[in-house]
This record gives sequence, structure tokens and C-alpha cells, in this order.
Amino acid sequence: EIQMTQSPSTLSASVGDRVTITCRASQSISRWLAWYQQRPGKAPKLLIYKASSLQSGVPLRFSGSGSGTEFTLTISSLQPGDFAVYYCQQYNSYSPTTFGQGTRVEIK
Amino acid sequence: QVQLVQSGAEVKKPGASVKISCEASGYTFISYFLHWVRQAPGQGLEWVGTVKAGGGAANYAQRFQGRVTMTSDTSARTVFLDLNSLRSEDTAVYYCARENGGDGFDVWGQGTLVTVSS
Repeated sequence: EIQMTQSPSTLSASVGDRVTITCRASQSISRWLAWYQQRPGKAPKLLIYKASSLQSGVPLRFSGSGSGTEFTLTISSLQPGDFAVYYCQQYNSYSPTTFGQGTRVEIK
Repeated sequence: QVQLVQSGAEVKKPGASVKISCEASGYTFISYFLHWVRQAPGQGLEWVGTVKAGGGAANYAQRFQGRVTMTSDTSARTVFLDLNSLRSEDTAVYYCARENGGDGFDVWGQGTLVTVSS
């Protein structure tokens, strides 16, 4: 099973800040990586797939990069609705697919 | 619009079974795999397994093998998750999610809270 490790676990930032979250895979997953946002009490929402493709309807301030074992999610200018938990997911294989442990973005 | 609507919250005693449903609408149901992902209180996302909506193949996370069954009813456009021998550690919100090929899980249900308590 491929292990996914996110850093940091918690990130404190202000509205307007540029923030970056890192996700590392225990082995190469090419570009089979997705990012999700989860707000309290809600289901996860797909932001990025194939490492850097923006899901329809997701604001352009979200971007993803990376390949192989190291990936990043960047929010170029943090907005109030962006304070949430973010998860990476590898789907090099969907069985099993695995998620990172999550990164909480909180208000500084 | 494309959506997945799950059944309501369940409260079960240890050792019991639970069956939750996920009804799809707004797209060609049989063309996709549906996955189940759970989230224990305050914890992260854990993959439980997947089922081909058109029927047949199901794959489960190793830790649930022998306790879980996923099925599909194509006439009802609904997939089911059946989990038996429940223990307190199974208390979680269970989500169904649509796999969009190489594009991740693009549609999620609203979640079903399963509480296991004596």
C-alpha cells in the first residue's frame, strides 16, 4: 500500500496569504494525485486531479504541481472560505487508493 | 444535476450489521465505479472499497475483508455498503464517491453517520 504524507499538519495564515501544502508518496505515482478540500460537516470536494488539472468550477487561485513522489497544492491568495482541511489522494491504483492525513488551514 | 444521495444515520450495537445506500442521478450510472470512504470523528479519510455500478466487480480494503460487502442495484441506480460484526471503531461518517476514471473522485454523497454503541 502506498503511504501518503502531508506537511504541515496545521498551517496558520491570514486572508491574502500565499500558502503551500506538500504531499509525499512512499513510491512513484507518476501524476496520479488529487487534492480535496473539506469544510466542517461537509463532504470532501475535488479541487485538483492528475496533479495539476483544475476541477471545473474551482477558483484559479488553487493550483497543483509535482510528479513522481512529491507534490504541492498552492493557494495564491487565501480567501475566507479557504479555511478548511485539505487532503491529497493517490490513485496510481484505485484498489487501494490512499489519502494523506490532512492539513488544516486555520486563521492566524 | 449529477448527485449521490445517501441513506440516513444509523445507530447499531456492537456485533450488529449495517447496510447503507447511495442513490445516483444525473449521469449514466453503469459507466462508473463507486467508492466508499469513511471518516471517524476528528480523523482523516479512509478508503473502504469500491464496486462497479454496472454490476460484478468489488474490491475491498484488506482491513475490511470478510466483514464488508458492496453491491449494486442497476434498476434502482443505487449501490450499497453492508458492514457486519460492527465495533465501536466503526463509528464514522461513510461517504460514497464517484470515480471519474483518471480524474479522481469528482462527486460525493452527503455522508451517512454510523454510530456503534452499546
